[in-house]
Amino acid sequence: DAKTTQPTSMDCAEGRAANLPCNHSTISGNEYVYWYRQIHSQGPQYIIHGLKNNETNEMASLIITEDRKSSTLILPHATLRDTAVYYCIVRVPHDMRFGAGTRLTVKP
Amino acid sequence: NAGVTQTPKFRILKIGQSMTLQCAQDMNHNYMYWYRQDPGMGLKLIYYSVGAGITDKGEVPNGYNVSRSTTEDFPLRLELAAPSQTSVYFCASVPGDRGRANEKLFFGSGTQLSVL
Repeated sequence: DAKTTQPTSMDCAEGRAANLPCNHSTISGNEYVYWYRQIHSQGPQYIIHGLKNNETNEMASLIITEDRKSSTLILPHATLRDTAVYYCIVRVPHDMRFGAGTRLTVKP
Repeated sequence: NAGVTQTPKFRILKIGQSMTLQCAQDMNHNYMYWYRQDPGMGLKLIYYSVGAGITDKGEVPNGYNVSRSTTEDFPLRLELAAPSQTSVYFCASVPGDRGRANEKLFFGSGTQLSVL
């Protein structure tokens, strides 16, 4: 089973920040947190990943709590094209299991 | 680089038929994965491989077989197709150097399979 818990769905207004939470309370010290998204039936697209420090790239920011038991993906200015299913994954070297994800709907 | 290439993109099978879904990557990645995604659901791991000659079961391996004779190729075999195997199948790879966990997955574009 996936090691993460995410809300089933969320809405966000266009132009606002989208904050997607993820709970990974059983994470261990060498496991990274990854975020992917899937638009329609395309292959999942990598967004960002981190171990314990907050991370930022051109797509998003990842905030990981100090105890590493939860994280938040932030899309700073959501657009309609960000409507997708977002997956939070805890990664061990040989395994990458996806949960059900959060369906984010960005509304005009 | 072509990345991860899956063929075919679409296929319709009759119950009981067999077929092989092809997956090839040209990035010299060690780790490769097969997932299936049923309508409205998340991805489920079928099988994975950490290198040529090494494969292991994921969450939903029943009804499938895999082989990894080369680094580049990781075919998925359906021996006796059943309607429950109607799904979209994704192949993915990651470098997997020295078992590092900080490498992102590269996905193929998927194969849509219908078993009727």
